[in-house]
Amino acid sequence: EPEVTQTPSHQVTQMGQEVILRCVPISNHLYFYWYRQILGQKVEFLVSFYNNEISEKSEIFDDQFSVERPDGSNFTLKIRSTKLEDSAMYFCASSEGRSTQYFGPGTRLTVL
Amino acid sequence: ILNVEQSPQSLHVQEGDSTNFTCSFPSSNFYALHWYRWETAKSPEALFVMTLNGDEKKKGRISATLNTKEGYSYLYIKGSQPEDSATYLCAPINTGTASKLTFGTGTRLQVTL
Repeated sequence: EPEVTQTPSHQVTQMGQEVILRCVPISNHLYFYWYRQILGQKVEFLVSFYNNEISEKSEIFDDQFSVERPDGSNFTLKIRSTKLEDSAMYFCASSEGRSTQYFGPGTRLTVL
Repeated sequence: ILNVEQSPQSLHVQEGDSTNFTCSFPSSNFYALHWYRWETAKSPEALFVMTLNGDEKKKGRISATLNTKEGYSYLYIKGSQPEDSATYLCAPINTGTASKLTFGTGTRLQVTL
């Protein structure tokens, strides 16, 4: 069964450094998403992406964040200058349409 | 910001018990409700997408109902098994958004022998 994959599973970085989280969505899906969960809090929406552009973003998704689909398979989330409060589990998801979103296993980001 | 509430926060049942949880959400501008099952260290697994008032969906021993007029959904598990232990998340989508899921805090279910 096709699944969403994410790499790395765990990323440790120093405050102020840039990180790129990678996702490979399900191959025939057209909609892509990033969510995150800070420890002990709800899973929160960050951004949705369709047709090579952002279709919606949350207040959290400020100028330090960007997303890109650099080729036909990868979908990346870049955090330009990481802060301590960016430490969270980041989930990528994809869907065919406005339907079931299939989630990856997540990348745990730890900012020191 | 959607206010999504799930209750109870956690639940501990014996194998074979049937159980249910509640998801409450604003009824205005409703488009769809998603239910997910999330085991620790795994991907959240999609269970149901529900759109119509009165919808009832079933997957094995798990079923869900939807009331869009009053803004709630119930998830039922019949004859709980230890492998049902997980966090169950609901997430409504509003008509005004592309497909942004707004998750509740989840109900953490533990099933013991």
